[in-house]
Amino acid sequence: DAGVTQSPTHLIKTRGQQVTLRCSPKSGHDTVSWYQQALGQGPQFIFQYYEEEERQRGNFPDRFSGHQFPNYSSELNVNALLLGDSALYLCASSLGLNMNTGELFFGEGSRLTVL
Amino acid sequence: AQRVTQPEKLLSVFKGAPVELKCNYSYSGSPELFWYVQYSRQRLQLLLRHISRESIKGFTADLNKGETSFHLKKPFAQEEDSAMYYCALKLGRGSTLGRLYFGRGTQLTVWP
Repeated sequence: DAGVTQSPTHLIKTRGQQVTLRCSPKSGHDTVSWYQQALGQGPQFIFQYYEEEERQRGNFPDRFSGHQFPNYSSELNVNALLLGDSALYLCASSLGLNMNTGELFFGEGSRLTVL
Repeated sequence: AQRVTQPEKLLSVFKGAPVELKCNYSYSGSPELFWYVQYSRQRLQLLLRHISRESIKGFTADLNKGETSFHLKKPFAQEEDSAMYYCALKLGRGSTLGRLYFGRGTQLTVWP
């Protein structure tokens, strides 16, 4: 089991551009959450997808959007990139909407640099 | 608003010394608390959860609702414990809000 896989691992964009990050959850998991981790900070919740719908959203602008596919994989899209969007983007998967065990399985992240 | 505070950004101890990583939270309901750990060049992973009352790798953590704390402790630190530790809060059992609120993390270094 490869666990949670994310791509790309690193990418560099310029202000105003758009970016798409991808995530495949751990085998057997059906819920995908995305977190943003700025340098020196803990992960901050962006949103959660379950049954191909956004179920919860953190305090992030509409420039951040996502999608979940029938195979449970997910994408995170960020439009009109700002310098402040530079961060490590973590995908986490779990089983069930309520994350009953409380355990999230994280990917290694996609490091986005906005110049 | 829910918040998790880890007051120490960095913590250094010598091998064999006791270690305590502090975590305080603010939440008016009944929380679930977790410790996640990230070893060098590895992904973030769950270390332990308060509802399990378990000891993992010699670490324990007790939820103190009166002090709203969930400090992580180990009586004898080992070099392999060096890592970044994150305290995380989930909003109560049965809640549909299956998200975690993380603290900023504490980098633990255990010197030989």
